Amino acid sequence: GQNIDQPTEMTATEGAIVQINCTYQTSGFNGLFWYQQHAGEAPTFLSYNVLDGLEEKGRFSSFLSRSKGYSYLLLKELQMKDSASYLCAVRDEYNFNKFYFGSGTKLNVKP
Amino acid sequence: DTGVSQDPRHKITKRGQNVTFRCDPISEHNRLYWYRQTLGQGPEFLTYFQNEAQLEKSRLLSDRFSAERPKGSFSTLEIQRTEQGDSAMYLCASSFGNSNQPQHFGDGTRLSIL
Repeated sequence: GQNIDQPTEMTATEGAIVQINCTYQTSGFNGLFWYQQHAGEAPTFLSYNVLDGLEEKGRFSSFLSRSKGYSYLLLKELQMKDSASYLCAVRDEYNFNKFYFGSGTKLNVKP
Repeated sequence: DTGVSQDPRHKITKRGQNVTFRCDPISEHNRLYWYRQTLGQGPEFLTYFQNEAQLEKSRLLSDRFSAERPKGSFSTLEIQRTEQGDSAMYLCASSFGNSNQPQHFGDGTRLSIL
């Protein structure tokens, strides 16, 4: 089976740094994606990791450790507009077109 | 690039009725996906098309659900004899090319069953 765990909710302060963790136990692995989803809107792509290490994209960075089944999304210089749900998704090893999503982490940014 | 569009945005219907949703992917995208998302959960995979061929169907997709992509462009998802448990957001996504490309999601169709 596929098991992807994320914290349900987090709160952070504007201007701060927050780390959202994702752990996965899947029968196979071929890449991990992070998406941002504002309430009532479509998920939008943030980052992709397939090899171990850190991928940096402006204020957002994502890290992957395949041996630990672990990833995190790091958001720096938080802005109010970053209040959203953050979804971690793992791609199936044998079916590149099948993705398993976590339940998402709702991030509340307060002034 | 106008993005993935879905129609309607909202659908309210009585239990037992049939509903059909439409998805128009980004024009050059050959892959199209349907997901279902309930409140507080991540999207759950329903089915996937490469061009007009439906290559994968989830066990979540009962025989009341059918999806088509007749010309490899837009897709429809039909739910027959709707049940209360079908109430959810139905998301469509598309992608192109190799497996490193992310999926681009539409804003979804929110289905409410009375």
